[in-house]
Amino acid sequence: QKEVEQDPGPLSVPEGAIVSLNCTYSNSAFQYFMWYRQYSRKGPELLMYTYSSGNKEDGRFTAQVDKSSKYISLFIRDSQPSDSATYLCAMSENSNYQLIWGAGTKLIIKP
Amino acid sequence: DSGVTQTPKHLITATGQRVTLRCSPRSGDLSVYWYQQSLDQGLQFLIQYYNGEERAKGNILERFSAQQFPDLHSELNLSSLELGDSALYFCASSARRGGETQYFGPGTRLLVL
Repeated sequence: QKEVEQDPGPLSVPEGAIVSLNCTYSNSAFQYFMWYRQYSRKGPELLMYTYSSGNKEDGRFTAQVDKSSKYISLFIRDSQPSDSATYLCAMSENSNYQLIWGAGTKLIIKP
Repeated sequence: DSGVTQTPKHLITATGQRVTLRCSPRSGDLSVYWYQQSLDQGLQFLIQYYNGEERAKGNILERFSAQQFPDLHSELNLSSLELGDSALYFCASSARRGGETQYFGPGTRLLVL
């Protein structure tokens, strides 16, 4: 079993829909959680960064961490075709440990 | 623009050859990471350097090696290239030893013919 599990998709939704992307993990010591967006053949870019549990909102994006369930989510509101990309989750125990990456979910927003 | 630069952008070479990929981290970042991403595959962590010293190794082949120089730029050397080495190679940097946000460069696309 991988430390971080992420459904590879593709996930296809119509424009304007609310998108929910998820990762599950097995290491209860993870405290730092990140979401990256990667457009085709480009470098991943950081979208959201959260520490420990709770929610964080940035524009149309909301990151949620549920440590009791070992589950993190990224919600995208009012999805746009420009949101079509691969979304990767990453997490670590602390600043001295490596980031552990999910495999990425490919998201397609249909106009 | 993440502030991480990588050269070259594209590289085409033949099997058996050796190539060097170069990365300059963001100003002030001490860690450099190398990743490999094959077509439609996830990121595979290769190796990390922190302030000139190797800090962590991932699934890096013995034919591959890396180093980080005193000015903190890094090079990834790939030798005895095989067709299966064709991939995108990303460099990322972070401020400290690891676990915090990594900033990625645009990648080097390697094609081995």
